[in-house]
Amino acid sequence: DAEITQSPRHKITETGRQVTLACHQIWNHNNMFWYRQDLGHGLRLIHYSYGVHDTNKGEVSDGYSVSRSNTEDLPLTLESAASSQTSVYFCASSGQFGNTIYFGEGSWLTVV
Amino acid sequence: DQQVKQNSPSLSVQEGRISILNCDYTNSMFDYFLWYKKYPAEGPTFLISISSIKDKNEDGRFTVFLNKSAKHLSLHIVPSQPGDSAVYFCAASAPNNDMRFGAGTRLTVKP
Repeated sequence: DAEITQSPRHKITETGRQVTLACHQIWNHNNMFWYRQDLGHGLRLIHYSYGVHDTNKGEVSDGYSVSRSNTEDLPLTLESAASSQTSVYFCASSGQFGNTIYFGEGSWLTVV
Repeated sequence: DQQVKQNSPSLSVQEGRISILNCDYTNSMFDYFLWYKKYPAEGPTFLISISSIKDKNEDGRFTVFLNKSAKHLSLHIVPSQPGDSAVYFCAASAPNNDMRFGAGTRLTVKP
């Protein structure tokens, strides 16, 4: 199984601040994803990447950005945090030819 | 535009009985379907999957059924155990690897 670590696991920030959530996977998976989980919405895709220097917008990308400078990491940045971005964020990855994706343990973000 | 729908937010069953979780999808490009299980304060974990070329896949107590014409899949858990209590997410992926999830169904198995 893939091992994916997210940091920080919990963070409280103020409206308007820039926040970066880190995601690191050790399996050299080409595909990496960021989801947010909200009650009644399940897991919604924010951004994803199919390889180094590749990034794509998902369903709810407004206010978020990602960069992929190497295979192992896909940091998620909230440019100017808003209260609507209070959520649980999950990073995930999958191998190039597999469809099963593996999730990290989540990052709880509260914007006050 | 929710392409994957789980219309039952919660389900409660007695230990030993069958649990049936349902999922509907709208995108005909989806060709691979998965179920994930999530405990509180943990990330979702992969449970079982099925390709669109099959209509059934079984793994121990878990069976997934796919009805392509109805764009419907279901997860059967037999027999249900208290440890199965969790939130179950249905997911579907298209050939471009974009995966979409349903809103989840919270399963409670009562002893």
